[in-house]
Amino acid sequence: AQSVTQPDIHITVSEGASLELRCNYSYGATPYLFWYVQSPGQGLQLLLKYFSGDTLVQGIKGFEAEFKRSQSSFNLRKPSVHWSDAAEYFCAVGPPRAAGNKLTFGGGTRVLVKP
Amino acid sequence: GAGVSQSPSNKVTEKGKDVELRCDPISGHTALYWYRQSLGQGLEFLIYFQGNSAPDKSGLPSDRFSAERTGGSVSTLTIQRTQQEDSAVYLCASSLAEGQYFGPGTRLTVL
Repeated sequence: AQSVTQPDIHITVSEGASLELRCNYSYGATPYLFWYVQSPGQGLQLLLKYFSGDTLVQGIKGFEAEFKRSQSSFNLRKPSVHWSDAAEYFCAVGPPRAAGNKLTFGGGTRVLVKP
Repeated sequence: GAGVSQSPSNKVTEKGKDVELRCDPISGHTALYWYRQSLGQGLEFLIYFQGNSAPDKSGLPSDRFSAERTGGSVSTLTIQRTQQEDSAVYLCASSLAEGQYFGPGTRLTVL
């Protein structure tokens, strides 16, 4: 069965510093991979996705993620964090089909931004 | 364009009552999903509709939960005889091909 692990439950970062959120997955084949962000009281917003091709994926809000097959990882990065990036971030995997991707989510990483 | 909308945004009910949660997907999206987000369980898949195919109900936690999607658009998630453990945020998502787009959720509190 597929699973997603986000090892860090909480991360605190200073505004302007870089951020990296870890995501490891277990899946029979290369799945579709996603990062979502959830601000307090809000739904989930899609940051970026990986289906195939270039393993470095650019997303919205200045985020990027790198797929590493050998490590079964899909870590999310941002070079310089803004206070508005304080939120909870979820990594998710889905079966490698165009639609019908029933997603399996990681437990989430809550990011706190210090001024 | 309009995103996924859900109603109500908050619902407080008494144990044993039935509740209905509504989801309006993005126009033209063929797939619709329900997820549940709770403190102890994280984000869990509940049910998935794709076009006119039979729904994938594999995530529904009990037979008290059901969902329908009328006319390939609006969906209603019904929870019968609610229990306190049903308290959670219920999220709806829709997709066409690449990635799922989520609504703001309905926060259900069962007293």
